[in-house]
Amino acid sequence: QQQVKQSPQSLIVQKGGIPIINCAYENTAFDYFPWYQQFPGKGPALLIAIRPDVSEKKEGRFTISFNKSAKQFSLHIMDSQPGDSATYFCAASGNAGNMLTFGGGTRLMVKP
Amino acid sequence: DAGVIQSPRHEVTEMGQEVTLRCKPISGHNSLFWYRQTMMRGLELLIYFNNNVPIDDSGMPEDRFSAKMPNASFSTLKIQPSEPRDSAVYFCASSLVLAGSTDTQYFGPGTRLTVL
Repeated sequence: QQQVKQSPQSLIVQKGGIPIINCAYENTAFDYFPWYQQFPGKGPALLIAIRPDVSEKKEGRFTISFNKSAKQFSLHIMDSQPGDSATYFCAASGNAGNMLTFGGGTRLMVKP
Repeated sequence: DAGVIQSPRHEVTEMGQEVTLRCKPISGHNSLFWYRQTMMRGLELLIYFNNNVPIDDSGMPEDRFSAKMPNASFSTLKIQPSEPRDSAVYFCASSLVLAGSTDTQYFGPGTRLTVL
């Protein structure tokens, strides 16, 4: 079964801290790794995505680190803000028509 | 663009009743996905359509669930008969899938279903 394992399930940091969320996958055919952000009562929205030809991608305060040999990738949020409090999902997709396999989610709380 | 539109936003029904959830994907997108989200199981892909044709329905829980996409701008997910364990938030997402590429999936606001 294709799986993406995400940790931790929940995370609390102070404003300005750098929360890190980790994901691991099994299927070596995966070639697209997006992160989605979900606020309460809303649908998930794409935050940032990476392909395995690079080891890091940065967009604003959000950075994905990718380790192909370890089959792991992580999301770092620099200078976190209370507005970043949300649930974050990692996902992975192979050459299968854009079907995504999601991790279990991480509920992040950034305290003021 | 209005984004992915889902209706109703909330549905409360009694066990045994038929439930129909509706989705209008983003215009121009050729792929549509139905997901179910629960605390216990997270986000689960139920079914995936490409060019209105069901490609993968391996995530559909059982025969009580059915999905249709009669045209490029409309899809339904039907549960008949509904059971309390079907209570969840159901999301529809759409994307533009071209050969050899992977594009962003855009999610709708979801339908919160409660089966009493």
